[in-house]
Amino acid sequence: GAGVSQSPRYKVAKRGQDVALRCDPISGHVSLFWYQQALGQGPEFLTYFQNEAQLDKSGLPSDRFFAERPEGSVSTLKIQRTQQEDSAVYLCASSPYRIVQANTGELFFGEGSRLTVL
Amino acid sequence: KDQVFQPSTVASSEGAVVEIFCNHSVSNAYNFFWYLHFPGCAPRLLVKGSKPSQQGRYNMTYERFSSSLLILQVREADAAVYYCACHTGGFKTIFGAGTRLFVKA
Repeated sequence: GAGVSQSPRYKVAKRGQDVALRCDPISGHVSLFWYQQALGQGPEFLTYFQNEAQLDKSGLPSDRFFAERPEGSVSTLKIQRTQQEDSAVYLCASSPYRIVQANTGELFFGEGSRLTVL
Repeated sequence: KDQVFQPSTVASSEGAVVEIFCNHSVSNAYNFFWYLHFPGCAPRLLVKGSKPSQQGRYNMTYERFSSSLLILQVREADAAVYYCACHTGGFKTIFGAGTRLFVKA
C-alpha cells in the first residue's frame, strides 16, 4: 500500500488477555519503530527494527511486551497479560533510512491501534 | 532526562500568524521536527531541520535548544495537535506532549 497500515484500529481486551498488534510498513522501508501514546501525551519510543534485527528495545515497559519483524517487513507487537495501564494508542512508523547513517529522522506513521484494557 | 517541552494549547483567529514554541533538554539532539496530527489519523511531518526553514505556510525557527513553528494565515482546518520532536542521531525520536491549536472564525 501507499502508507503504513496498522491493524486492528481498535482493540478492547479484558485484563489478563494477550493482544497482538500488526504493522505493515511502506514497502522497502528499512527501519520500523513502535511508539506508545497515552492519552494527552506525545508518542513514546518502544522499540526499533532495522530490517529483521531488533536493534533497540529499551523503551519496552516490561517483559510482557514483545515485538518481532521476522522477515524484515511486517511487524507484530505482542502484549501478554494486559493491564489497564497498557491502554494507549500504539503507533507504528517506518523510514527508508538506516537511521544511524542518514540521521534524517523523518518518520512515516500509521494511524495507530487504540488498545483499551478493561 | 531527555525531554521536549511545548505548550499544551494555543488559540488563534483565522488569518493570523500563530506561533508554537518548543524547547528541549536532549543532549545529543541537533534537529527539530514538527508533526501535524489530526486525532485518529496518521501524524505527518510538516517541517524539519537544524536551521530555519519553510514549507508552504509553515515556518520553522531554529536555535540549538529551541524552535518555533509559525503557521501563516491560519485557518479553521488547521485546528489539530502539533508535535515538536528531536532526533538524537540514534534510534530515538523524542516527542513533546503536543500542542492543541484552537482557531476562532
